[in-house]
Amino acid sequence: GGIITQTPKFLIGQEGQKLTLKCQQNFNHDTMYWYRQDSGKGLRLIYYSITENDLQKGDLSEGYDASREKKSSFSLTVTSAQKNEMAVFLCASSGGSAETLYFGSGTRLTVL
Amino acid sequence: GQQVQQSPASLVLQEGENAELQCNFSSTATRLQWFYQHPGGRLVSLFYNPSGTKHTGRLTSTTVTNERRSSLHISSSQTTDSGTYFCAIEATGNYKYVFGAGTRLKVIA
Repeated sequence: GGIITQTPKFLIGQEGQKLTLKCQQNFNHDTMYWYRQDSGKGLRLIYYSITENDLQKGDLSEGYDASREKKSSFSLTVTSAQKNEMAVFLCASSGGSAETLYFGSGTRLTVL
Repeated sequence: GQQVQQSPASLVLQEGENAELQCNFSSTATRLQWFYQHPGGRLVSLFYNPSGTKHTGRLTSTTVTNERRSSLHISSSQTTDSGTYFCAIEATGNYKYVFGAGTRLKVIA
């Protein structure tokens, strides 16, 4: 089996700061995703990447950048952290069109 | 864009009761999954089920593709079933998985 590792688990930043979240997977999956989950709410798609060097915007991409420089890793950057985006950020991967989504344990973002 | 509605939003059961969770979506689903999330925990896939019926243990998922709906049935509920259940859909084959808002289940002893 494989695993998705998200770092850091907890991220604290100042308002206006640029912050980067990292995700690594060893499933050898082609597709990777970043979701945001606000407290007690569902998941909203920020960015996804179908293959290495591909980037696709989700429904919540404004204020975020993403990078997929190699197949196993997918980074998300909060370009200017705001207090209203304190949430858990979840990374996921899948192996293709008929594959299950697997999730990491998340990065909890706090903005001071 | 693709809409996913889950009902009920929340549900409280006595241990031993059955539960039926619904997921309705606005476009034909190419892929469909049900997930479980324990409070503060990781998302765990329960079923990948874009059509038909699947069973595992006390759980049954039924998806009727042309009616754009799926259900998750939990039989003989246990307190350990408490948590949030999410339905996720990919509609157009572009790998864009969209989640519903979830059903929060609480099972009391």
